[in-house]
Amino acid sequence: EIVLTQSPATLSLSPGEGATLSCRASQSVDTYLAWYQQKPGQAPRLLIYDVSIRATGIPARFSGRGSGTDFTLTISSLEPEDFAVYYCQQRSNVGVTFGPGTKVDI
Amino acid sequence: EVQMVESGGGLGQPGGSLRLSCVASGFTFNSYWMHWVRQAPGKGLVWVSRINSDGSSTNYADSVKGRFTLSRDNAKNTVYLQMNSLRAEDTALYYCARGEFIWNRQVLYRGMDVWGQGTTVTVSS
Repeated sequence: EIVLTQSPATLSLSPGEGATLSCRASQSVDTYLAWYQQKPGQAPRLLIYDVSIRATGIPARFSGRGSGTDFTLTISSLEPEDFAVYYCQQRSNVGVTFGPGTKVDI
Repeated sequence: EVQMVESGGGLGQPGGSLRLSCVASGFTFNSYWMHWVRQAPGKGLVWVSRINSDGSSTNYADSVKGRFTLSRDNAKNTVYLQMNSLRAEDTALYYCARGEFIWNRQVLYRGMDVWGQGTTVTVSS
């Protein structure tokens, strides 16, 4: 099983600041790396797939990059609605795993 | 409108069974793989299982392998998660999500792009 590790666990920032979230895989995940945002009481929302492609309707302030085992999600300038938990996720021929999440709070 | 609606959650006894359903609408259901993801109260997302577009192949997380069975009925646009030998640690909100899709006989993956609102399973005596 591919294990995903996210850091930091919590990121305390203010609106307007930039955020960089990290995701590390225990082995290469090729390009099958996605990012999700989840707010309290809501289902997760797909932000990024294939490492760097924004899903439909996702603002340009969200960007993803990385390769192999190390990936980052960057939010260029935090809006009030961006304070949430972010999960990375990989898929392989045998299954799927999620990282433990990074909480971005004020 | 593309959506999924889960049902079937509730209170289950340890060692007992529950069957969750997820009804999809607004897209070509038989072109997509479907996933179940769960979230225990206050915890993170945990993948449970997936099924390919024609139902011929399934994968499971180690924590549910041998106890849960995922199936689908493409005529009814529905996936079913049969949960047997329930344990307290199966207590969670269970989400159905759309995943891989078939295009020109290729399996393409663009993330889990559509999610239901979830159905809650509580395992307790």
